[in-house]
Amino acid sequence: EIVMTQSPATLSVSPGERATLSCRASQSVSNNLAWYQQRPGQAPRLLIYDTSTRATGVPARFSGSGSGTEFTLTISSLQSEDFAIYYCQQYDNWPPYTFGQGTKLEIK
Amino acid sequence: QVQLVQSGADVKKPGASVKISCKATGYTFSSFGLHWVRQAPGQGLEWVGWMNPGNADTAYSQKFQGRVSITRDTSARTAYLELSSLRSEDTAVYYCARGPPGWLRPEYNWFDPWGQGTLVTVSS
Repeated sequence: EIVMTQSPATLSVSPGERATLSCRASQSVSNNLAWYQQRPGQAPRLLIYDTSTRATGVPARFSGSGSGTEFTLTISSLQSEDFAIYYCQQYDNWPPYTFGQGTKLEIK
Repeated sequence: QVQLVQSGADVKKPGASVKISCKATGYTFSSFGLHWVRQAPGQGLEWVGWMNPGNADTAYSQKFQGRVSITRDTSARTAYLELSSLRSEDTAVYYCARGPPGWLRPEYNWFDPWGQGTLVTVSS
């Protein structure tokens, strides 16, 4: 089973600033990586798949990069609605699909 | 628009079974894979299993093998997750989520959209 490790666990950033979230896989997952946003009390929402492809309706301030074992989600200019928990998910090696433990993005 | 609407919260005793539904609207039900993912209180996400609603093929996480079953009613556009021999550790929000377009295999799946979630509480 591939273990996904996200860092940091909590990230404090001011509105309007850039946020950079990291995700590391215990072995290569090629570019088969997705990012999700989960706001309190809501279901996860797909942001990015195939490492860097934005899902339908996702604002351009969200971007993904990386390959192999190291991946990054960047939010270029934080809006109030972006403060949430973010999860990465690998889908290269199955079963099972595995997720990171999440990064909580909070207002500084 | 595409929506997955799940059944309401449930409370079960240890050892019992629970069956959760997920109704799909806004797309062709049999053309997309359907997954179940759970989230224990305050915890991360854990994949449970997958179904091809077109032919009822299923695949499950080994962790749940033997006590999980995913079924569907195509006429009702609804998928079901049944989990048996419940224990307190199964207390979680269970989500259904659709697989990628044009891909009806269990591998190489990301999930979009997700249902609103169903809280299952296991308590004596």
